[in-house]
Amino acid sequence: AQTVTQSQPEMSVQEAETVTLSCTYDTSESDYYLFWYKQPPSRQMILVIRQEAYKQQNATENRFSVNFQKAAKSFSLKISDSQLGDAAMYFCAYRGPQGGSEKLVFGKGTKLTVNP
Amino acid sequence: GAVVSQHPSRVICKSGTSVKIECRSLDFQATTMFWYRQFPKQSLMLMATSNEGSKATYEQGVEKDKFLINHASLTLSTLTVTSAHPEDSSFYICSARVWGHWEQFFGPGTRLTVL
Repeated sequence: AQTVTQSQPEMSVQEAETVTLSCTYDTSESDYYLFWYKQPPSRQMILVIRQEAYKQQNATENRFSVNFQKAAKSFSLKISDSQLGDAAMYFCAYRGPQGGSEKLVFGKGTKLTVNP
Repeated sequence: GAVVSQHPSRVICKSGTSVKIECRSLDFQATTMFWYRQFPKQSLMLMATSNEGSKATYEQGVEKDKFLINHASLTLSTLTVTSAHPEDSSFYICSARVWGHWEQFFGPGTRLTVL
């Protein structure tokens, strides 16, 4: 079974600084999808960024970027120029290949605090 | 963008009663809906996957007779917690997906408290 591990229960960053959240996963598949979701205090899940495993290029969305290391099964999220609104729980998630299991497997999450 | 709503947002019930939670896709037809449970300070755990017009597929350890899921239309799925007990108190989140599309759109969640 696929597993997703987030080894940092909590992280903090100063406003305007950069922070990296770690995620590792385990799968025997060669094709899959990886995601980072943000869950603010409202509890609404918000997609931050996604990465297709077949793409070598790391995904980027404005201040958010990933470091995808397929061989190492690592998928870290970098938040640049951190803002107060970035404070939230961040979940790393895995989804198998298209046509297979559609379910998302989530890590346990990292609580990010942004200090003014 | 794709919007998913849940109703109610909060519900408090007595032990032994049943509670129904609705999940609606407001501006798209959801061929697949997912139900998750999230305990305080924990991650989302998938309970079941439901496809429109067919029986839900439950994850291991989830009692199908206790958590009844109905996906009768392309815009509505319901989760009924039968004979609720205090240990069923949790945050329940649904998500919806269009067939052939990768993204799941999440609802805002329902907080269930069983007294």
